[in-house]
Amino acid sequence: DGGITQSPKYLFRKEGQNVTLSCEQNLNHDAMYWYRQDPGQGLRLIYYSQIVNDFQKGDIAEGYSVSREKKESFPLTVTSAQKNPTAFYLCASSIGAGNEQFFGPGTRLTVL
Amino acid sequence: SQKIEQNSEALNIQEGKTATLTCNYTNYSPAYLQWYRQDPGRGPVFLLLIRENEKEKRKERLKVTFDTTLKQSLFHITASQPADSATYLCARNQAGTALIFGKGTTLSVSS
Repeated sequence: DGGITQSPKYLFRKEGQNVTLSCEQNLNHDAMYWYRQDPGQGLRLIYYSQIVNDFQKGDIAEGYSVSREKKESFPLTVTSAQKNPTAFYLCASSIGAGNEQFFGPGTRLTVL
Repeated sequence: SQKIEQNSEALNIQEGKTATLTCNYTNYSPAYLQWYRQDPGRGPVFLLLIRENEKEKRKERLKVTFDTTLKQSLFHITASQPADSATYLCARNQAGTALIFGKGTTLSVSS
């Protein structure tokens, strides 16, 4: 089955620890995205990548980092610099920037 | 900067009625607008895309319009059902970059 996967579904971390969220797609899409969703805030773009080995900051990139070493994978690291990391994180991919996006099931991160 | 606004946070209607959700954008018209459905705890799912030169687009019980004069898109669900209850997100393209999403409107259809 083609699709986009995120793991884990739930993640708990202690304050001050870095944590990496996984995102994999087998849709052969060039573009991938990371969003953060908080109650009442809608989707806020953290980072996006239009091609392997290239990525751009979104609206709320501070405290996050990404890599795009393979077309299929776009992991997101939530660093200890992110002041309020508890949120629902969504990964998406599309054929190209601005096209229809396919979303993963999300990872709910809770920092204790 | 480009913005997309969904003015109603929540919409409650009775089963069988038509639900109408509004999406407004600022500045220049996007080449297209997209609508997504999101269920609680899940990722959004693409529903429809409408281009700037298309006035209206339909898919089963769904209809989307694009009015460049009003800078607005309307999303209609006819003969609504409780299963249509979800949050609906509007998104606009921005040349060469990622989509910009609205905050969404949560639709509740009661039987």
